[in-house]
Amino acid sequence: SHELTQPPSVSVSPGQTARILCSGDILPQQYAYWYQHKPGQAPVLVIHKDTERPSGIPERFSGSSSGTTVTLTISGVQAEDEADYYCQSADSSGTYVFGTGTKVIVL
Amino acid sequence: QLHLQESGPGLVKPSETLSLTCTVSGGSISDSSYHWGWVRQPPGKGLEWIGSVYYTGSTYYNPSLKSRVTISVDTSRNQFSLKVTSVTAADTAVYYCARGYRSSYLIDYWGQGTLVTVSS
Repeated sequence: SHELTQPPSVSVSPGQTARILCSGDILPQQYAYWYQHKPGQAPVLVIHKDTERPSGIPERFSGSSSGTTVTLTISGVQAEDEADYYCQSADSSGTYVFGTGTKVIVL
Repeated sequence: QLHLQESGPGLVKPSETLSLTCTVSGGSISDSSYHWGWVRQPPGKGLEWIGSVYYTGSTYYNPSLKSRVTISVDTSRNQFSLKVTSVTAADTAVYYCARGYRSSYLIDYWGQGTLVTVSS
């Protein structure tokens, strides 16, 4: 089965840039998606198809992709961005996989 | 606006079967564009995809859970269900139902989640 690996945590000061990497062998073949997850709430999609931002998601959220790694960048981090972030992909057989998750800590 | 709502017991005894149902409103579970699935999050841990079902009844399971999991669909009630057999404390988690795009595997709608505790 496929795995997606993320750093456990990223710490950033308000107004600075947070970058979260997600690595996995499935990523060159399949799109990645990013979800923001706050305690007690359902996850929210913040990036789809590696780089696209859904309507209603602030412009400070962006995504990029290179080979076996995708990156979520939060530019000008705000206190409200403190949350867990998960990458997600799937193989062509319909098996979904989530990344290990990254806690963004706003200092 | 699509709405997904999980329902089922919040407490299950070890070795018994966990059963949850997700009721879909504001859209049809028979829409051929989507999978309907379950995701869980144990306390202090990350999200784990459990499996998905298509309106035809075709299923897709996490290999690590496949031997204990059954997901089924009831198109007449616009519902889909999860059963996990032989549960242990490791199955304690918040369980989410969700909708995924069949063509891209994007998950666009989630239920609010329901906590299931495995304890005697």
